[in-house]
Amino acid sequence: AQSVTQLGSHVSVSEGALVLLRCNYSSSVPPYLFWYVQYPNQGLQLLLKYTTGATLVKGINGFEAEFKKSETSFHLTKPSAHMSDAAEYFCAVSEGIKAAGNKLTFGGGTRVLVKP
Amino acid sequence: GAGVSQSPSNKVTEKGKDVELRCDPISGHTALYWYRQSLGQGLEFLIYFQGNSAPDKSGLPSDRFSAERTGGSVSTLTIQRTQQEDSAVYLCASSPSDRVYNTGELFFGEGSRLTVL
Repeated sequence: AQSVTQLGSHVSVSEGALVLLRCNYSSSVPPYLFWYVQYPNQGLQLLLKYTTGATLVKGINGFEAEFKKSETSFHLTKPSAHMSDAAEYFCAVSEGIKAAGNKLTFGGGTRVLVKP
Repeated sequence: GAGVSQSPSNKVTEKGKDVELRCDPISGHTALYWYRQSLGQGLEFLIYFQGNSAPDKSGLPSDRFSAERTGGSVSTLTIQRTQQEDSAVYLCASSPSDRVYNTGELFFGEGSRLTVL
């Protein structure tokens, strides 16, 4: 079975400061890893994903994440926070593309507050 | 439409009533998923459809919950005899199954917020 742990349900950062959201996963097979963002009263939007290949992946809005197999981690970072980054962020894992579907297992989410 | 469409966007009901939530996936997406997002919780998987069949319904919390999909397109999630603990946002997602187009990503709708009084 897969699982995802996001450390910290709430994170507060100052505008211009580094954003670091932590995600650790467990998977019995090479994982596909995702970060989604949810703005208030909206659905989830894909920020970035890791499937195979380069372990440092870049996404939209200046976010990036690095897959570290030895640490079973996929932490999300952004060098400089912007007010528009205030949202809830979800890390997710799947067993890759399967005939049985791409069911994602999500972490509990981290709500980011950006202070001016 | 271009994205996943869900209705109603908001539903307030009384305890004990039945509710139906609808999902219209992206055209051509054969896989459809229902998730539940409760206050302060992450996303909880409910059920997955491939075409009109549901190979994985392991996440349905009780027999009060059921879902169907017709014509390989629209899906309806039905909750019978609603309870207050059913209050949540119900999210629908879809994805293509064809290996050429399938990148593993799920495409989400904006959700249906259910409040049970």
